Amino acid sequence: AQKVTQAQTEISVVEKEDVTLDCVYETRDTTYYLFWYKQPPSGELVFLIRRNSFDEQNEISGRYSWNFQKSTSSFNFTITASQVVDSAVYFCALSGWIQGAQKLVFGQGTRLTINP
Amino acid sequence: DVKVTQSSRYLVKRTGEKVFLECVQDMDHENMFWYRQDPGLGLRLIYFSYDVKMKEKGDIPEGYSVSREKKERFSLILESASTNQTSMYLCASSPGQGNSPLHFGNGTRLTVT
Repeated sequence: AQKVTQAQTEISVVEKEDVTLDCVYETRDTTYYLFWYKQPPSGELVFLIRRNSFDEQNEISGRYSWNFQKSTSSFNFTITASQVVDSAVYFCALSGWIQGAQKLVFGQGTRLTINP
Repeated sequence: DVKVTQSSRYLVKRTGEKVFLECVQDMDHENMFWYRQDPGLGLRLIYFSYDVKMKEKGDIPEGYSVSREKKERFSLILESASTNQTSMYLCASSPGQGNSPLHFGNGTRLTVT
């Protein structure tokens, strides 16, 4: 079965601290994709990154970086020098074949609060 | 930019009412999805559609139905609203190619009293 676990329900840090959001997934597929989405207070989920299972290179985009490790089935997200605007709920998701169709399975989400 | 528009931001309905949640996308996407979001449970898939007039059940379809008469529009129907359907409902769309990122609407917060 496909499953995504975000064990951290809520994280609160002070501005400029680094913070890592954990994501652990389960799948039997050999080909799959992993995603991170951000949900600010406005409610709309914003796509941040997609990673396929064959590409384990870490990715950096400005203050954001992602660490994909197949050996531990993890796809963690780090924000460096956090800012108040980073406050949001973050979702990790796994794309796979379920019931003969391709679908996205989401984790429970991590609410990140950056305090000034 | 892809635009996914949900017709209502907030809705309050009474138990037993028939409720329609509308979603329209403007990028000619083949795939459309309805999720509900509840604290501690993340997003759960209710129904999805890969083509006009086509629908597939997601993980929690009970109490819901959908309609997709036109490619750009995907409607979620609560046949007889119940209080346990109070939730945030999110519509999403994506191109036909597999594993494309989903584009989400702003969500409809439905309260059933």
